[in-house]
Amino acid sequence: EDQVTQSPEALRLQEGESSSLNCSYTVSGLRGLFWYRQDPGKGPEFLFTLYSAGEEKEKERLKATLTKKESFLHITAPKPEDSATYLCAVQETGTASKLTFGTGTRLQVTL
Amino acid sequence: DGGITQSPKYLFRKEGQNVTLSCEQNLNHDAMYWYRQDPGQGLRLIYYSQIVNDFQKGDIAEGYSVSREKKESFPLTVTSAQKNPTAFYLCASTMGPGDTQYFGPGTRLTVL
Repeated sequence: EDQVTQSPEALRLQEGESSSLNCSYTVSGLRGLFWYRQDPGKGPEFLFTLYSAGEEKEKERLKATLTKKESFLHITAPKPEDSATYLCAVQETGTASKLTFGTGTRLQVTL
Repeated sequence: DGGITQSPKYLFRKEGQNVTLSCEQNLNHDAMYWYRQDPGQGLRLIYYSQIVNDFQKGDIAEGYSVSREKKESFPLTVTSAQKNPTAFYLCASTMGPGDTQYFGPGTRLTVL
């Protein structure tokens, strides 16, 4: 059975204090790993898709990387508006687009 | 503007009532999904449909039903058989396997 574990559960950073969120996964074959951002009471907003080990993608202060067992979401010099829950999801090969989600990391960035 | 709409945003239901949540997309996506989100848990798949007039059960389909009569629409009915329906419900769509799933704004259902 696919498993996705995100750590830490919650993270509090000061503005400008860089850090990383972790997503470890267990699947028989990875079709894709997805990162989303979710604000309270809203639907998840797509950030990145990673397909193969070694792949990296960047968007503003966020950078996602992928290895064969885990993915990291690096946040460089975060701002208060980066505060949100960050969700990781994996899609296994041979499945009909089914995503397995982790429980998320709640990020709070303070001034 | 292309996107996914869900209605209503908030829904209150008395025990024993069936309710239907709406999901519409104008992205021309073939596949649509329903997820349930509870505090402290990851999103869990209820039902999905890869093509019109066809759908499959997800991990937690008991007490729910769906239909897919049009490509743009994938309504979810929460029946009285669902023992713990209070949750945040999210609809998503995608062009196909391996492509990104895009989410709607969600419906928060509360059973009184």
